[in-house]
Amino acid sequence: AQKITQTQPGMFVQEKEAVTLDCTYDTSDPSYGLFWYKQPSSGEMIFLIYQGSYDQQNATEGRYSLNFQKARKSANLVISASQLGDSAMYFCAMRVKTSYDKVIFGPGTSLSVIP
Amino acid sequence: KAGVTQTPRYLIKTRGQQVTLSCSPISGHRSVSWYQQTPGQGLQFLFEYFSETQRNKGNFPGRFSGRQFSNSRSEMNVSTLELGDSALYLCASSGWDRGSWEQYFGPGTRLTVT
Repeated sequence: AQKITQTQPGMFVQEKEAVTLDCTYDTSDPSYGLFWYKQPSSGEMIFLIYQGSYDQQNATEGRYSLNFQKARKSANLVISASQLGDSAMYFCAMRVKTSYDKVIFGPGTSLSVIP
Repeated sequence: KAGVTQTPRYLIKTRGQQVTLSCSPISGHRSVSWYQQTPGQGLQFLFEYFSETQRNKGNFPGRFSGRQFSNSRSEMNVSTLELGDSALYLCASSGWDRGSWEQYFGPGTRLTVT
């Protein structure tokens, strides 16, 4: 069965510090994609970063990077130089090729950035 | 490019009524997925449409239905509303862009059932 696990319900980080949000996944499909989304209190889901299972290098998008460890089935999100506006829920998600465009989401991690 | 739009943004209905939500995907995207988000259950997949056909369906009762039109716009319908249907309903538009698969969400429709 396909599953996403995020073991940190809530996290705190000091402004300007880096923070790592954990995500592990489970799938037997060799072809899959991993995503991170940010959901502020307004409710909108904002796409942050994508990693394909065959990508050789870790994905980066500005202050966001994805630490992809395929053998360990982990896809942690690293946010560098945290800003107050980074306070939000963060969801790790997975799309497997055999499930068309169905995306499985983890339970989320609530990040609070402290001034 | 323009983002995913959802209407209405907020809705209040009473038990037993029915509701229709609308979603317009990003231009060029042919797939539209619907999700229900509640504090207790998190994000749950409802169904996915591609080229006017439902390709994938989550574990929801038949009161939840949807359709997609030839212009890729999608509607979701919930009949005989129950209190537990109160949730944020998110629509996601997906497709391929320059060799990468992408999925973007709309702002959501917040449904309250009283």
